[in-house]
Amino acid sequence: DQQVKQNSPSLSVQEGRISILNCDYTNSMFDYFLWYKKYPAEGPTFLISISSIKDKNEDGRFTVFLNKSAKHLSLHIVPSQPGDSAVYFCAASRFNFGNEKLTFGTGTRLTIIP
Amino acid sequence: GAVVSQHPSWVICKSGTSVKIECRSLDFQATTMFWYRQFPKQSLMLMATSNEGSKATYEQGVEKDKFLINHASLTLSTLTVTSAHPEDSSFYICSAPAREVGANEKLFFGSGTQLSVL
Repeated sequence: DQQVKQNSPSLSVQEGRISILNCDYTNSMFDYFLWYKKYPAEGPTFLISISSIKDKNEDGRFTVFLNKSAKHLSLHIVPSQPGDSAVYFCAASRFNFGNEKLTFGTGTRLTIIP
Repeated sequence: GAVVSQHPSWVICKSGTSVKIECRSLDFQATTMFWYRQFPKQSLMLMATSNEGSKATYEQGVEKDKFLINHASLTLSTLTVTSAHPEDSSFYICSAPAREVGANEKLFFGSGTQLSVL
């Protein structure tokens, strides 16, 4: 039972344009959502997060949008840069505590075309 | 940010042997560490929660006798894959929660271990 889904396994975007990565979840108990970036043979690194009490959180070029009624979140990267090429995982947890276990999506491989 | 060190980065072993993976929190103490596994093109799946000074908590479907977890100190957790078989070949990643100055507590991940069982 995949509670967090990323339906696009891959995405290619021209450098300088906006990258939009999508994520859907099914468990209504999830209260906190995160995006991680992962390079091959490395562990994921935290990118940005959002609590369910918000619908938007912005950090530099990265913005996460949450539509709780639709159980959908998205990550916007603008402008996209070649260094953004990586696999992006969305993750969800019940609480905003670091020691709360995370449920990950299957990932979206983003390729930025120079 | 907080650093989680994981060793080895990759290991190749014969079927039937045991492999130990170490996960260390370098600049902070971790009473809890998480062990994940990722098969190719799949999600990171939580295997178990490692608790310092007590038994690990395993997720449903994960054999605790096969994947031995020891959290001997506040900075070290180990995962031992016993009697490894080719189907155990996977990418194993540990993580630990830590709080950076001025920020909420979040999970920091090790660099992962690619296990290949021949």
